[in-house]
Amino acid sequence: GAVVSQHPSWVICKSGTSVKIECRSLDFQATTMFWYRQFPKQSLMLMATSNEGSKATYEQGVEKDKFLINHASLTLSTLTVTSAHPEDSSFYICSASNRVESPLHFGNGTRLTVT
Amino acid sequence: KQEVTQIPAALSVPEGENLVLNCSFTDSAIYNLQWFRQDPGKGLTSLLLIQSSQREQTSGRLNASLDKSSGRSTLYIAASQPGDSATYLCAVGTGNDMRFGAGTRLTVKP
Repeated sequence: GAVVSQHPSWVICKSGTSVKIECRSLDFQATTMFWYRQFPKQSLMLMATSNEGSKATYEQGVEKDKFLINHASLTLSTLTVTSAHPEDSSFYICSASNRVESPLHFGNGTRLTVT
Repeated sequence: KQEVTQIPAALSVPEGENLVLNCSFTDSAIYNLQWFRQDPGKGLTSLLLIQSSQREQTSGRLNASLDKSSGRSTLYIAASQPGDSATYLCAVGTGNDMRFGAGTRLTVKP
């Protein structure tokens, strides 16, 4: 079945550095990819919607200059956390679908720890 | 703005019991509704997807229903097992994104 690959699965970085997370759809073309963030013991929160070839749509309260999203092809979207700070430490998950009516397929997530 | 609520927030049951998880949403104009399972520290596993035109979906011991007019969905788990212990999330597809509930943390005791 459809698979979404997310890389890396975990990353530790120092405060002030940038981290890039990749989300790939392995056997289908994902016109839309979504990025979520989950803080401990909280629900998953949508950060942004990424459409191939256009600018991402960010949810209210999410800084677009801090969380850079690039969806340059139908199989790859990247999320870059720029100038990371400890409060950015979280679990980031991407999902993808090839049609609105189709189920979303999720990556396994990336656990980011900023020291 | 679509809001999704899940009740209860946590549930603990003995093994073998049948149980129901509830999900409600405020805007009935949805494309679909999906139930997920999340194990601690792991990504989401899709359990059931109900299209807006459907009323229920079944997979094994799981049955999910959808009542768009009342803005409700239920996830029924039959003959619960300790391996069912996880957080269950419902998510409403609006056409542009998915809105998640806060989840129900289920514990099935042996």
